[in-house]
Amino acid sequence: EPEVTQTPSHQVTQMGQEVILRCVPISNHLYFYWYRQILGQKVEFLVSFYNNEISEKSEIFDDQFSVERPDGSNFTLKIRSTKLEASAMYFCASRKDRDQPQHFGDGTRLSIL
Amino acid sequence: GNSVTQMEGPVTLSEEAFLTINCTYTATGYPSLFWYVQYPGEGLQLLLKATKADDKGSNKGFEATYRKETTSFHLEKGSVQVSDSAVYFCALIPWMDSSYKLIFGSGTRLLVRP
Repeated sequence: EPEVTQTPSHQVTQMGQEVILRCVPISNHLYFYWYRQILGQKVEFLVSFYNNEISEKSEIFDDQFSVERPDGSNFTLKIRSTKLEASAMYFCASRKDRDQPQHFGDGTRLSIL
Repeated sequence: GNSVTQMEGPVTLSEEAFLTINCTYTATGYPSLFWYVQYPGEGLQLLLKATKADDKGSNKGFEATYRKETTSFHLEKGSVQVSDSAVYFCALIPWMDSSYKLIFGSGTRLLVRP
């Protein structure tokens, strides 16, 4: 069964550095998402992406964050000038169309030192 | 606003015991409701869903019924196995939401002992 793949599984970064989290959605999916889960807290929606543009973003998704689909297969989340509170598990998800469920990757654990 | 509330864990059961994990929601209209499961070291997997009132979602022996009158979507299983040990997330997609984003509860950890 096709899967959403995320790399790396664990990223350690110094505070203030830029980090790029990578995701390869399922190949025929059209809608893409990023969520995050701070340790011990809820999974929270960050951003949705469709037709090469952001369709919705949450209050969490401020100027520090950006997303990109640089080619036909990758979907990236960039965090500029990382802060300590960016430490979390980040999940990528994709879905094929309106009536299909979202499929999640295994997540990238981001640790800011 | 839209939100999901789950019972706090961990829930510890013996194998073959009956499982209930409570989930209630706050939302306008007719949200779609979901249960996701996260096994250790893995991502979130869809367990079951229900998209309208009185629908029952079921999968792998798990069931949940969409109860609009009580705004609930409790997860049940008649006989749990050790392999069911995981974190279970209740979630909704708000009614008429353009991006179909998921709003999650805080998760409930289930531990099943042999």
